[in-house]
Amino acid sequence: DSGVTQTPKHLITATGQRVTLRCSPRSGDLSVYWYQQSLDQGLQFLIQYYNGEERAKGNILERFSAQQFPDLHSELNLSSLELGDSALYFCASSVEGYLTGELFFGEGSRLTVL
Amino acid sequence: AQTVTQSQPEMSVQEAETVTLSCTYDTSESNYYLFWYKQPPSRQMILVIRQEAYKQQNATENRFSVNFQKAAKSFSLKISDSQLGDTAMYFCAASGTYKYIFGTGTRLKVLA
Repeated sequence: DSGVTQTPKHLITATGQRVTLRCSPRSGDLSVYWYQQSLDQGLQFLIQYYNGEERAKGNILERFSAQQFPDLHSELNLSSLELGDSALYFCASSVEGYLTGELFFGEGSRLTVL
Repeated sequence: AQTVTQSQPEMSVQEAETVTLSCTYDTSESNYYLFWYKQPPSRQMILVIRQEAYKQQNATENRFSVNFQKAAKSFSLKISDSQLGDTAMYFCAASGTYKYIFGTGTRLKVLA
């Protein structure tokens, strides 16, 4: 158990819909990262937050948005969903934002868009 | 831009043998870290080993070791005495400005 909690674990929805994925980082971790893993592909970096502030953006679509709340949990919002958005979405956390340490991953949220 | 390249999409190895997974990277960062993560069929991402780029000594964790060639920007993973439980997807990653970049992965199958 990494200590990172992601909900829901599985989600099936239809094209055009909107979903919210939630992540609770490990206790004490200030940084949260979101990654997208399409079927048998690598991890695409979406966005990073550190102590409530957005620090870096990757290949995140305009239809996607995220935020980190004062209690440090984070939410990834996906809207106007398309078939190609079907993927495993990982949240990861780390102690600080200096990128020296281990990323602790949640078990992922598997999104299926029909 | 940072890039991480894994040129071996799939590999297999006999149980108890040794296998090496390749990774090359490109970065303009002066200080960075390199990682190997394992993703078994359960999909959980697990850290295998970490290398600090300013350290010359190659990192070792039990049966796992790396060959870090900084000038060549190469970071390979050697798995000794391969076990069936090593069957997984292996991702090489590099830290950069506020993000970690992952390679496309190498699928390793350990054969009984």
